[in-house]
Amino acid sequence: ETGVTQTPRHLVMGMTNKKSLKCEQHLGHNAMYWYKQSAKKPLELMFVYNFKEQTENNSVPSRFSPECPNSSHLFLHLHTLQPEDSALYLCASSQGSGQKDQPQHFGDGTRLSIL
Amino acid sequence: GQNIDQPTEMTATEGAIVQINCTYQTSGFNGLFWYQQHAGEAPTFLSYNVLDGLEEKGRFSSFLSRSKGYSYLLLKELQMKDSASYLCAVSHNTNAGKSTFGDGTTLTVKP
Repeated sequence: ETGVTQTPRHLVMGMTNKKSLKCEQHLGHNAMYWYKQSAKKPLELMFVYNFKEQTENNSVPSRFSPECPNSSHLFLHLHTLQPEDSALYLCASSQGSGQKDQPQHFGDGTRLSIL
Repeated sequence: GQNIDQPTEMTATEGAIVQINCTYQTSGFNGLFWYQQHAGEAPTFLSYNVLDGLEEKGRFSSFLSRSKGYSYLLLKELQMKDSASYLCAVSHNTNAGKSTFGDGTTLTVKP
């Protein structure tokens, strides 16, 4: 139990579907992150939120839309995805910007498959 | 830009010692993290180095040389459960909280 919970664990969707990934952290952290992990590739940072404000968008296509309603919850809304978007999507949290380097705590991820 | 290199795969024997290297070339280096990721599970934090030298934590130690852009993770008394992917991640002083990850090293421990 890492204190970061992601749902669903697995998701299969068609290219025209709309779905959302959810992440919740119970660690009192103020920063949250979305990463994409594909086979044979490094973890790719997608978005960073500090105190509910987006501070990083790593050139992510607009078919991925993040939402952070509060410091404990983070969503990734998916629309019109492509087959190459199939991957493991990991959420993480940390103490937040302004703190000295703090480790990130990861959820178990959502395994996304695009048909 | 950021460039982080780690070996793709390593194999070692139970009870032995293994050293996983990580070299980096990055602007705005702040510190370096090591994470462990078992197949199908979340990455978990192992160690953090910001100053040169060795940080020891039980069977695991991590070393950093800022001038050489080099780090290693040392695992002693290897156990079968240490079979996992080990991720080197560089944090940046331009944006606190942002880390860039290497490809990871898959370690297989054999009996």
